[in-house]
Amino acid sequence: QVQLVQSGAELKKPGASVRVSCKTSGYIFTGYYMHWVRQAPGQGLEWMGRINPNNGDTNYAQKFQGRVTINSDTSISTAYMELNRLRSDDTAVYYCAASEVDGYWGQGTLITVSS
Amino acid sequence: EIVLTQSPGTLSLSPGERATLSCRASQSVSSIYLAWYQQKPGQAPRLLIYGASSRATGIPDRFSGGGSGTDFTLTISRLEPEDFAVYYCQQYRSSLWTFGQGTKVEIK
Repeated sequence: QVQLVQSGAELKKPGASVRVSCKTSGYIFTGYYMHWVRQAPGQGLEWMGRINPNNGDTNYAQKFQGRVTINSDTSISTAYMELNRLRSDDTAVYYCAASEVDGYWGQGTLITVSS
Repeated sequence: EIVLTQSPGTLSLSPGERATLSCRASQSVSSIYLAWYQQKPGQAPRLLIYGASSRATGIPDRFSGGGSGTDFTLTISRLEPEDFAVYYCQQYRSSLWTFGQGTKVEIK
């Protein structure tokens, strides 16, 4: 079965960086864009960006331009999202997701930013 | 950027009732790029509908989607206890995503 397994929760200080991984199995990793979506506590879903694992091409939401980097390693079917210069309002659950018609989502990774 | 506006913000209904949720886009969206998700507390979103009206795998037929252009709806024909949750619409034109702000369906 399809699985997207994300790395565990992290506590970070303001100004630090965080990298979240998303290891996939059960489908062809290069067959779908990989997206990253976040959800702050009690808030809605916010799209951050995506990568085409075939060629590494990325698109980022304007809000995160310059602060987020999405990449992937096709040899291990894993995608990564790195967010820099963390602020307290970056505290959120971060999800990886693939396939708009199949709805493959990771379980989410809680990133807490606090001094 | 396409902005999606959902209404109402909260819908208070009883089990067995019909729920109609609305999603309006700031510009026309091809129906093939409109989806609906359900999210329960502590869980990842679950895809219900894609292409505006196609049910995802395993989704009961009490869920239906419709609409075109800038106006889309999600209908739950008879609410079951497990349907009380938050629902999001999403557009994915060119595989660039935006979400509506969500509609909470709560027990009256």
